[in-house]
Amino acid sequence: DAGITQSPRHKVTETGTPVTLRCHQTENHRYMYWYRQDPGHGLRLIHYSYGVKDTDKGEVSDGYSVSRSKTEDFLLTLESATSSQTSVYFCAISESSPTTQPQHFGDGTRLSIL
Amino acid sequence: TQLLEQSPQFLSIQEGENLTVYCNSSSVFSSLQWYRQEPGEGPVLLVTVVTGGEVKKLKRLTFQFGDARKDSSLHITAAQPGDTGLYLCAGIRDDKIIFGKGTRLHILP
Repeated sequence: DAGITQSPRHKVTETGTPVTLRCHQTENHRYMYWYRQDPGHGLRLIHYSYGVKDTDKGEVSDGYSVSRSKTEDFLLTLESATSSQTSVYFCAISESSPTTQPQHFGDGTRLSIL
Repeated sequence: TQLLEQSPQFLSIQEGENLTVYCNSSSVFSSLQWYRQEPGEGPVLLVTVVTGGEVKKLKRLTFQFGDARKDSSLHITAAQPGDTGLYLCAGIRDDKIIFGKGTRLHILP
């Protein structure tokens, strides 16, 4: 299994609070991704990174920011959490572009915003 | 806009039966991937198909990419309880990966 650790695995917080999710990889892969998975919507890309300090938006990026200061860590921040951001969040990594290399996923973070 | 439609959304069948699930689109993809996801875990890649008409087999699972590279199917022969899970297809287009909503499969012992 690819060395991907997501933390925390579960979190409950209140509307309006900031939340940061962490993805840590030990594979030295260039690409890292944040997805959210919701019933009826499947997996949707929030942001991705193609290198240290290189990030880009996905299809549902509003309300989220990311940072990648080291190859191994990709942080997802909800500056002011809303109930609509209650979801399961998955981090994924790939050696290079997903057009040529498969993605490997972490086990997810279940986030509940009350 | 949902570019990849998976059907059926849910399927519950008896152990030993055969089944096929589908992944359809009006768009052309450069390649297509199938993943399986179990509760509490992330998706795990099963296969990538690249060439139109390509067929790949993984034990009792057969994956086919449509000739026009717009659709794919997954056929399971003699389903077993261990096949239970969420099956996701993902199309690669314009350097982006797009996921379908998945087929939730339940195999009854």
